[in-house]
Amino acid sequence: DVKVTQSSRYLVKRTGEKVFLECVQDMDHENMFWYRQDPGLGLRLIYFSYDVKMKEKGDIPEGYSVSREKKERFSLILESASTNQTSMYLCASSPGLAALQQYFGPGTRLTVT
Amino acid sequence: EDKVVQSPLSLVVHEGDTVTLNCSYEVTNFRSLLWYKQEKKAPTFLFMLTSSGIEKKSGRLSSILDKKELFSILNITATQTGDSAIYLCAVEAIAGGTSYGKLTFGQGTILTVHP
Repeated sequence: DVKVTQSSRYLVKRTGEKVFLECVQDMDHENMFWYRQDPGLGLRLIYFSYDVKMKEKGDIPEGYSVSREKKERFSLILESASTNQTSMYLCASSPGLAALQQYFGPGTRLTVT
Repeated sequence: EDKVVQSPLSLVVHEGDTVTLNCSYEVTNFRSLLWYKQEKKAPTFLFMLTSSGIEKKSGRLSSILDKKELFSILNITATQTGDSAIYLCAVEAIAGGTSYGKLTFGQGTILTVHP
């Protein structure tokens, strides 16, 4: 069965802290994505990766960076967390070059105080 | 900039009602449109549409795409409380020959079905 896991369901961090969100998929998918979801704004793409060590900016990359050292793992990094980064973060993966359906992880609700 | 707009943003109905959710889009080099259902956590895939006029159907849910008018609808007949969820529409566009599966999502429609 297809599986995307995220390291934490809930996370509380302080302003200025460095935050790591981890995502792991077991489907050997080439593509991995990080979104944030806010009420009334839907899912917005932060970064995506189509291969190991490859990354592309999405629509709202400011304040974030990513790392993909292994095919199955895609990390989102908040270098210095701010309160406006309080949100639900969703990771997804998909195979190949086309949008065959994306498979989503359960999400991490991050609160920055 | 690619744009996807869903309407209504929220909807409250009673069990047994039929609902129609709308998704309009403005993208360059459209490839496909996808619908997802999101309950408490991860969105789950419902449909992928690539061709105009061909209805996709799964039980009480159906969806159709109009590439000329740039919209899609998702219909749910005989709604049940288990249909309560956020319904997300997303569009894939091709840039530079490929898309790498990148999607642009709409705001989502929150559907609440009361018993």
